[in-house]
Amino acid sequence: GENVEQHPSTLSVQEGDSAVIKCTYSDSASNYFPWYKQELGKGPQLIIDIRSNVGEKKDQRIAVTLNKTAKHFSLHITETQPEDSAVYFCAARRGSGTASKLTFGTGTRLQVTL
Amino acid sequence: KAGVTQTPRYLIKTRGQQVTLSCSPISGHRSVSWYQQTPGQGLQFLFEYFSETQRNKGNFPGRFSGRQFSNSRSEMNVSTLELGDSALYLCASSLTGGWYEQYFGPGTRLTVT
Repeated sequence: GENVEQHPSTLSVQEGDSAVIKCTYSDSASNYFPWYKQELGKGPQLIIDIRSNVGEKKDQRIAVTLNKTAKHFSLHITETQPEDSAVYFCAARRGSGTASKLTFGTGTRLQVTL
Repeated sequence: KAGVTQTPRYLIKTRGQQVTLSCSPISGHRSVSWYQQTPGQGLQFLFEYFSETQRNKGNFPGRFSGRQFSNSRSEMNVSTLELGDSALYLCASSLTGGWYEQYFGPGTRLTVT
């Protein structure tokens, strides 16, 4: 089955700096890659996603890039703010129109310091 | 638009008991997926329901089951609880599943003693 690896497990950046989280996936049939942010005591919140027909997607300070050949995708957060501190999860979904199973990475704890 | 709601938010049960968790998806969403989140295993897929039918299933024992009602609300049941079942159980709602985004609820924190 699909396997998603995520690095780093923890990341500390100063406010205003950029943060990059990387994920690799094993199944070349995966075609949908969402990113979730989870704050303490809450469920994961979808922050951005990318489908295999595009290489990059941006939404204000957040961007995601996808390299299908290398089977990896990355989350980029620019101008980080204290409220960006949370655990971030990448995920991958394998092909077929009806499959909804997401395989998640192990998470990255991002801490933004003042 | 209201988000995904899950009840109860917290639950304490004893080994051997059974438990039922409830999920109400976003209005209009017909696909409901369940995930288990633990510090050791991370987020793992349990099963997905669409139009009252189980469409996908993860690698969990038969003690874990679910169902979906005609209004798309879903329940999951865990029988003969074990200590290792202590986890955050998350429900995710999607329009029809597949290509569509999944939105998570706040989860039910289950503690088995």
